Order: sequence, then C-alpha cells, then structure tokens
Amino acid sequence: DQQVKQNSPSLSVQEGRISILNCDYTNSMFDYFLWYKKYPAEGPTFLISISSIKDKNEDGRFTVFLNKSAKHLSLHIVPSQPGDSAVYFCAASSDLRDDKIIFGKGTRLHILP
Amino acid sequence: GAGVSQTPSNKVTEKGKYVELRCDPISGHTALYWYRQSLGQGPEFLIYFQGTGAADDSGLPNDRFFAVRPEGSVSTLKIQRTERGDSAVYLCASSRTEALSGANVLTFGAGSRLTVL
Repeated sequence: DQQVKQNSPSLSVQEGRISILNCDYTNSMFDYFLWYKKYPAEGPTFLISISSIKDKNEDGRFTVFLNKSAKHLSLHIVPSQPGDSAVYFCAASSDLRDDKIIFGKGTRLHILP
Repeated sequence: GAGVSQTPSNKVTEKGKYVELRCDPISGHTALYWYRQSLGQGPEFLIYFQGTGAADDSGLPNDRFFAVRPEGSVSTLKIQRTERGDSAVYLCASSRTEALSGANVLTFGAGSRLTVL
C-alpha cells in the first residue's frame, strides 16, 4: 500500500518554462511534506519542505503547494533550467518522535534546450 | 565530517555470501536512517536509529538483515546469506530539523550499490 504516490514517471519541459511535479498521499496523519532531488550516482538532496499547517512555501525558483483536502501537493520550478534535470522524490512524515519518512517512486524531469 | 559517508560505494558479491555496508553520518546528528532503493523505485525505509538504539526496524525485510550503531555514530548494515533480490542501492542518511517548517530533513550519502550475482 503506497502512502505517497507520484503517478508520472517522467516529465519533459522546455528550458525557461514552468515545471510542475505532482504528488498524492493517502495518510491524513502526515504533518510534513518534502521534496528531494537526485542526480545519478548521488544520494537524494533536500530541496524544499512544507508543514501541513501551510498551503504554500516558496524558496527562490521552487514553490511547493499543499492541498490538504485533496491530499495533493505539487512542486513548481520556474523558470526551469538545464541543471534541474534529475529525479524528484516527494516524501512525507508525521510529527511522531520516531516516525519514518515515506518516499514516492519519483518523477524524472527532463529540461529540454 | 562535512557529509554522510558510505563505504563501499560498490560491492559485488555471490549469492549466499555475507556483506557489511558502513555509514559515517554528519557529526552531531543523533538520528541515522537506512533506506534501500531498487531500480525505478523510491527509497524504501529499512531502519532508523536514535543514538545507539534502533527506534524503528519495521522496514527490515527479514532476519537476514541487521544493523548496529554501537557508539551512536558510525552504523553498519549487515546482510547474511545474500540473495539476488537484495541487489539495490543502500542509502544512509542522518537528519536535522528544518528551521522554517519543522520537518525532519534527511541528508543522504551517495549510497552503496550492492550487486548479488
């Protein structure tokens, strides 16, 4: 049973345009949502997070939107740059002291020149 | 150290052999996680340490897998009687609390790629 779902395995976006990566979750007890970015042969690196009490968090070119009623979040990257080509993982956790972080399967983003 | 260090970066072994994978977390991070990533999948939780003790080992697939962190720093993931299905990248991470959101943020190592022939 997948608690965090990324239904698009890949996405191609023209350089300079907006990239929108989507994520759905099933567990209403999640308190935090995070996005990680992964290049080949490297571990995932933290990009941006959002608490469940917020609906938007922005950091430079990256914005995460959270829709709790729909159990959906999205990552917007604008403008998209060639270095953004990577696999993006959505992740979630609850506020319990020892709770683990659950990852989605990832979306591979290709930025086209 | 500056980041999470994992050794070996690559390990090829034969079915039935014993394997140890090592993780050296960021200095001062008390929480340490092991994840496994198979091709086309996201990181799958294995075990989490808070200090020296395993706070949650519910992700370990079976009793062939075991992990220790005897002094609350370096951790070793041990796999006995390896099987071909154990082939994956094993990721270690240590964590901090993100100031703005309060989220538990993992810093991952580059991983240890295990291939069981």
